[in-house]
Amino acid sequence: QQPVQSPQAVILREGEDAVINCSSSKALYSVHWYRQKHGEAPVFLMILLKGGEQKGHDKISASFNEKKQQSSLYLTASQLSYSGTYFCGTGVMNRDDKIIFGKGTRLHILP
Amino acid sequence: NAGVTQTPKFRVLKTGQSMTLLCAQDMNHEYMYWYRQDPGMGLRLIHYSVGEGTTAKGEVPDGYNVSRLKKQNFLLGLESAAPSQTSVYFCASSTRQGPYEQYFGPGTRLTVT
Repeated sequence: QQPVQSPQAVILREGEDAVINCSSSKALYSVHWYRQKHGEAPVFLMILLKGGEQKGHDKISASFNEKKQQSSLYLTASQLSYSGTYFCGTGVMNRDDKIIFGKGTRLHILP
Repeated sequence: NAGVTQTPKFRVLKTGQSMTLLCAQDMNHEYMYWYRQDPGMGLRLIHYSVGEGTTAKGEVPDGYNVSRLKKQNFLLGLESAAPSQTSVYFCASSTRQGPYEQYFGPGTRLTVT
């Protein structure tokens, strides 16, 4: 069952912040975030595991609320290069061999 | 290292024709995956493999078959193509040592007329 992402799309100006949410109806062990630019393959951003801490690199970070079965991706002071579609993927088991992706959130950054 | 490569990049088929998509990875990864991507639907898992000689069904396996005869290759077959299989197909691989990230190939754009 696909996780649900919100919003479906967002338009921002360079320098503004964005939050993308991912929720599941199942208990989760892991949440994975990927970004895909138009015409390209998805690229890994980060993984959050059950019992783990909030992760991040540069100005992109994420949190994982196990009780609510939700994750959020935070993009601060957005840059033009952040434009693309963001996908969350969820795993329900420890060392799960597959993840199920959501439908994606399209992010467009204006100069 | 080439990473994950896919062959072909583009293909047009007529309804009822068959074809095989090839995915190859040079990272010695145990796990390999086939996804399809349609507008507004995200990435949907078709089949996957956790090792040479093993395959398993994903979310949308109907109409597809797969084989993993060699660790570095994962083949996706369409026996009788249908217009509903028009899509962009991505292959990915990952290591068994978790937590793991998936490395994606460049994709194959398939059109069935």
